[in-house]
Amino acid sequence: DAGVIQSPRHEVTEMGQEVTLRCKPISGHDYLFWYRQTMMRGLELLIYFNNNVPIDDSGMPEDRFSAKMPNASFSTLKIQPSEPRDSAVYFCASRGGTSGHTGELFFGEGSRLTVL
Amino acid sequence: RKEVEQDPGPFNVPEGATVAFNCTYSNSASQSFFWYRQDCRKEPKLLMSVYSSGNEDGRFTAQLNRASQYISLLIRDSKLSDSATYLCVVNMGAGNNRKLIWGLGTSLAVNP
Repeated sequence: DAGVIQSPRHEVTEMGQEVTLRCKPISGHDYLFWYRQTMMRGLELLIYFNNNVPIDDSGMPEDRFSAKMPNASFSTLKIQPSEPRDSAVYFCASRGGTSGHTGELFFGEGSRLTVL
Repeated sequence: RKEVEQDPGPFNVPEGATVAFNCTYSNSASQSFFWYRQDCRKEPKLLMSVYSSGNEDGRFTAQLNRASQYISLLIRDSKLSDSATYLCVVNMGAGNNRKLIWGLGTSLAVNP
C-alpha cells in the first residue's frame, strides 16, 4: 500500500522565492496534517484538514504561509516569499479509518527546505 | 513550563543494556499518549501507544503515571537498531479539540 507521498524531497531556493510543497495522503484517510520540524523547536503543527476543510491553522507562522486541500488526495503548502528562517523539514501526515481511534499518524518522508 | 518535556540525551548505552526514558506533560486533562520513533533524517513512526495499565511489546514497555503526569519507555536488551530519537506525544483535549503535542525527543545511541 502506498504511504503518504510528499514532493519535492529536497528544495534549495533563494530568499524571496515562492516554495510549493505537495502531499498525497493515504487513500481513505480523512485527516491531513502539515508539520514543520527544526532542531530547536521540534515538530510543530502548522495546519490540519478534516475532509478537505481546514480545521486549525493557528500554527501557521504568518501570512507568508498558506495551505490548500482541493480534494481528498492532494494538498499543498505554499510559502511566499520564503525567508532563511523557513529552512526546516516539512512533514505531511494523514490519519483515518482504524487509525482514527488509536491516534496514529502516518507521515510522509518529508520535504527538506533550505532557503539561502 | 513546556507542555511536553523530555530529556534530550543523548543516551549512549552498550548493546544489551536496559535504558529508560521519561516524559512529563503539563495538562492533567490529557487523554492519550504515544511513543514515536524517528530515525536520522527519516519520518516519525508510531512505536507504541501508552495505556493506563501499562503495556508491553517485546523488549519495549510503556507506562503512564497520571498522578505525577509522566510517561515512560523502557527498552530491554537494547540492539544497535534501536539507535534513534524517541518522541513522546500527548493528546490533549477531546473530540474536535484534540491536539497532539510533541516532545523534542530523546536521542539514543546503542554502541557495539
